[in-house]
Amino acid sequence: KAGVTQTPRYLIKTRGQQVTLSCSPISGHRSVSWYQQTPGQGLQFLFEYFSETQRNKGNFPGRFSGRQFSNSRSEMNVSTLELGDSALYLCASSLAPGLDVEEQYFGPGTRLTVT
Amino acid sequence: AQSVTQLGSHVSVSEGALVLLRCNYSSSVPPYLFWYVQYPNQGLQLLLKYTSAATLVKGINGFEAEFKKSETSFHLTKPSAHMSDAAEYFCAVSDLYNQGGKLIFGQGTELSVKP
Repeated sequence: KAGVTQTPRYLIKTRGQQVTLSCSPISGHRSVSWYQQTPGQGLQFLFEYFSETQRNKGNFPGRFSGRQFSNSRSEMNVSTLELGDSALYLCASSLAPGLDVEEQYFGPGTRLTVT
Repeated sequence: AQSVTQLGSHVSVSEGALVLLRCNYSSSVPPYLFWYVQYPNQGLQLLLKYTSAATLVKGINGFEAEFKKSETSFHLTKPSAHMSDAAEYFCAVSDLYNQGGKLIFGQGTELSVKP
């Protein structure tokens, strides 16, 4: 079974631009979560989607948004990029949120560099 | 609110020596606890999880962790370190009943293994 895939793996953008990152979950998984990883702040939860609905949101500004499609694939978008948005963005998938002992499987991440 | 504290951002051991990575948590509800490992330029891989069953949890690659409620700890151990264990390790807590798939991570501990 294929794992979680994220595209692109690497991205360089300029301040003020916007970016869209994509995540394809493991087949059969319907829940997708996004995390931002930076050296200073560590791993921080961005949001979680299940059945095309955002179930949970972390403490990030409105410039960060996401969505999930009917096939469970998810995208996240960052508008008006700032230098501080440079990070590794990780996507994780699971069968469904809230189930007992749910495991999340992480993708390799997208490395975003904002110049 | 839930939180995780990992004591020691960097731990160095000799090959064959005991590995001990410390994690303390704070949670107002019975927690689910996880240890993840991250190799350079990769996503997170689940090592083991605590789900309120056995307090001593065995994971992959010879790692295990013991849940101690009285100490609010979930330390990760391995009897004999191998060079391939060099990586960054993250402890995480989840409140599945209220927060779904949201994981709260510690700051991470980088493990170095000396030959």
